[in-house]
Amino acid sequence: KAGVTQTPRYLIKTRGQQVTLSCSPISGHRSVSWYQQTPGQGLQFLFEYFSETQRNKGNFPGRFSGRQFSNSRSEMNVSTLELGDSALYLCASSFEAGSTEAFFGQGTRLTVV
Amino acid sequence: DAKTTQPTSMDCAEGRAANLPCNHSTISGNEYVYWYRQIHSQGPQYIIHGLKNNETNEMASLIITEDRKSSTLILPHATLRDTAVYYCIVRKSGAGSYQLTFGKGTKLSVIP
Repeated sequence: KAGVTQTPRYLIKTRGQQVTLSCSPISGHRSVSWYQQTPGQGLQFLFEYFSETQRNKGNFPGRFSGRQFSNSRSEMNVSTLELGDSALYLCASSFEAGSTEAFFGQGTRLTVV
Repeated sequence: DAKTTQPTSMDCAEGRAANLPCNHSTISGNEYVYWYRQIHSQGPQYIIHGLKNNETNEMASLIITEDRKSSTLILPHATLRDTAVYYCIVRKSGAGSYQLTFGKGTKLSVIP
């Protein structure tokens, strides 16, 4: 079956703009999590959605938001982009919270100039 | 979730076993040990997890000490494709959400 699909793969934005990233989980998976990966901070949890509800949130400012649709697809939005938002944004899907394994997408590489 | 400590980097000769240690001295009774790896420019990949018994699957073996304060991931016959950053993660069972707290991991280099 198809894996986790993230679009776009690469993105260049200007400071102050906003951006929306998309994640399509594995079919049947209801949990979608988002992570930010930077060289300095490593992999950090952003938030998790389950059945269209945000179930958990990491320590990121309110400029970072997300949502999940009824088909489990998820989007994350970053408003008022800063240079420090340049990162690899990874999406992971799992069947449910009790799942033993999460499947990650290839990520979206965001560069803010 | 408990914190983990891993060596920053390790080398392993191709074809030999790679033994990656992890210290999780503050682990609590309902926390599992998970291992993920991240090959360059890809998303992390699940390898294995365990509670207190040793576990083995087609990718690796996980050895957890009796006091559960440390564990070792074993790749029995390392190949060049096993070159990656390996993350040891402690995660509560029955957690209300699937959240992984990644540390810095161990960068494993498999040498020809």
